[in-house]
Parts: sequence; C-alpha cells; structure tokens
Amino acid sequence: AQKITQTQPGMFVQEKEAVTLDCTYDTSDPSYGLFWYKQPSSGEMIFLIYQGSYDQQNATEGRYSLNFQKARKSANLVISASQLGDSAMYFCAMREVYNNNDMRFGAGTRLTVKP
Amino acid sequence: DSGVTQTPKHLITATGQRVTLRCSPRSGDLSVYWYQQSLDQGLQFLIHYYNGEERAKGNILERFSAQQFPDLHSELNLSSLELGDSALYFCASRPDRDTEAFFGQGTRLTVV
Repeated sequence: AQKITQTQPGMFVQEKEAVTLDCTYDTSDPSYGLFWYKQPSSGEMIFLIYQGSYDQQNATEGRYSLNFQKARKSANLVISASQLGDSAMYFCAMREVYNNNDMRFGAGTRLTVKP
Repeated sequence: DSGVTQTPKHLITATGQRVTLRCSPRSGDLSVYWYQQSLDQGLQFLIHYYNGEERAKGNILERFSAQQFPDLHSELNLSSLELGDSALYFCASRPDRDTEAFFGQGTRLTVV
C-alpha cells in the first residue's frame, strides 16, 4: 500500500521568505503522480502543483516549485516569497497508476506566515 | 469553481440516522473519489469509483457505502450514524488522463 508522510505538523515562515514543506512517499508502482493541495481555513481543496514520476525536471507553478528527488522518494514543496494568504494547511498526495489510480494524502502541514 | 458539485453543503442529523451525500463530477470525468476529513485531520481515503465500477476501498466503515451511477454522479450513504462520523466529506473527480483531481466544496456533516 502506498504511504505518504508529512513530518511537519506545523511550520512558521516570515512574510516574503521562502519555505519548504516536506513530503516523502513509498510506492512500488513505477508510474505515479505527486500532488500538492492547499486547504485554507474556508475548507476548499486547491490544487497547487503536479509532478509525474517520469518527469525529468522539477515542476514549477508561479511561486510554487516541487523539489522532486526520486531516489530519495521525496517531493518537497517550496513556496517562494511567502504571503500572508499562504497561511493554510498543505497536503501532499500521490496517485499510483497501476494501483487503480488510487489517490492518497499525507497528514498535512499547517503553514503560518508571520507579518 | 472546480466544476465538482456536492450536495448538501451542510447536514445536521441525529445519531442512528442515515444520510446520503451526493457528488456530481466535472463533465466527462470518469473517476470519483470520496474522502473523510475529521476536525484538524488529514484526508482519509474512503472509496474510488471509475466509470461505475468500484476500484478501491480505503478506510471505509461497513456502515458506509457508495455507488456511481450511469450518469457518473456518485452517492455516499452513511448509516447508523455516530458522533464520530461528524466530519467534512469531500468528493473529487478526475478525467481519464494524467492530471490532478478536482475537489468539490465538501459536505459538512454534524451528528448530534
């Protein structure tokens, strides 16, 4: 069974600084996708960024980038130039292509941006 | 707007009752996932349907069941409700290609 681990229950960052949220995963599936979602206090799940297991380059979406280290099975989210609106829960998720495309989530990291 | 519609948005019911949560996926999306999120917890995977067929079950209680209909909408049935079933229930849909899943706004269930 797949497993997603987010070891940081809570993180603090100063406004305008960069922050890295950790995510490690475990899978035997050779083909998988890694995702990050943001959940603000309003509760909705907002997709941020996607990395495919065969992608050679790290994914980037605006201020978000994914530091993908396949051998270490890690997919850390880097948020640059943090903003107050970045304060939220962040979830890492993985979908295994050959395992029925199940999509499982980590426990999440609560990020607080300080002014 | 993700294009995934969940109804109702809020539901308050008593212990022992049965409720049905509904999810309308984005047009053409064949995969539907259900998740449970208890207060300040992560998303617990409940069940995954693909084009009407159950693909996988996660931590879904026997009191819970789900189905996906020919028009691809899905329903999650929760019976013999307990206080601990109070949670935010999310539905997500995904098209049949390598992309992210799109989440509905969730149904907040309160069992009293």
